[in-house]
Amino acid sequence: QSALTQPASVSGSPGQSITISCTGTSSDIGAYDYVSWYQQHPGKAPKLMISDVINRPSGISSRFSGSKSGNTASLTISGLQAEDEAHYYCSSYTSSKTWVFGGGTKLTVL
Amino acid sequence: QVQLVESGGGVVQPGRSLRLSCAASGFTFSDFGMHWVRQAPGRGPEWVAVISYDGRNKYYVDSVKGRFTISRDNSENTLYLQMNSLRPEDTAVYYCARGYFGLLTWGQGTLVTVSS
Repeated sequence: QSALTQPASVSGSPGQSITISCTGTSSDIGAYDYVSWYQQHPGKAPKLMISDVINRPSGISSRFSGSKSGNTASLTISGLQAEDEAHYYCSSYTSSKTWVFGGGTKLTVL
Repeated sequence: QVQLVESGGGVVQPGRSLRLSCAASGFTFSDFGMHWVRQAPGRGPEWVAVISYDGRNKYYVDSVKGRFTISRDNSENTLYLQMNSLRPEDTAVYYCARGYFGLLTWGQGTLVTVSS
């Protein structure tokens, strides 16, 4: 049950696009289309942004999109806005019928 | 609106027990799987346990197996986490969350501090 691997930080200017990667194994990301992405602002609970690799819950901006290739999933945020500055965490269902999170990526909007 | 409210956190000595509760409202509780996720200070979330909508299936992260028990009372719309043999490394904010493969809604969390 090792954590998924994410870059510690990414940054971008307002209006730009950024992509956050999330690397797992053939027992989690590579095995199922059950990858989720969460946004967390300081002092707040995580918020679901993407589920099942590509699906946006109701109310989530279309600027957020997800994808997957092999053992790596990605979150892309287009048209960066100041309020997007937060920590982002990926998560995947695993072959052990458990869930695993990534270590998190701090997004800074310059 | 959908709401999850955790309670039961506090300061506890190593080796002691604590039971967390999560009161659900605004949705049909018995239709959804439920999770416990914890987050240690300055760290990312760590998944702890899940229970199916009917309570029949339960799974745990290895570090809490044999010590923690997840349960639910669908008649009371409440989720529980019984935590025994607590360790300092169990110190974290504990969140309950609605959903199964994706965690749709999270509570505000309850802080558990294990310290002598």
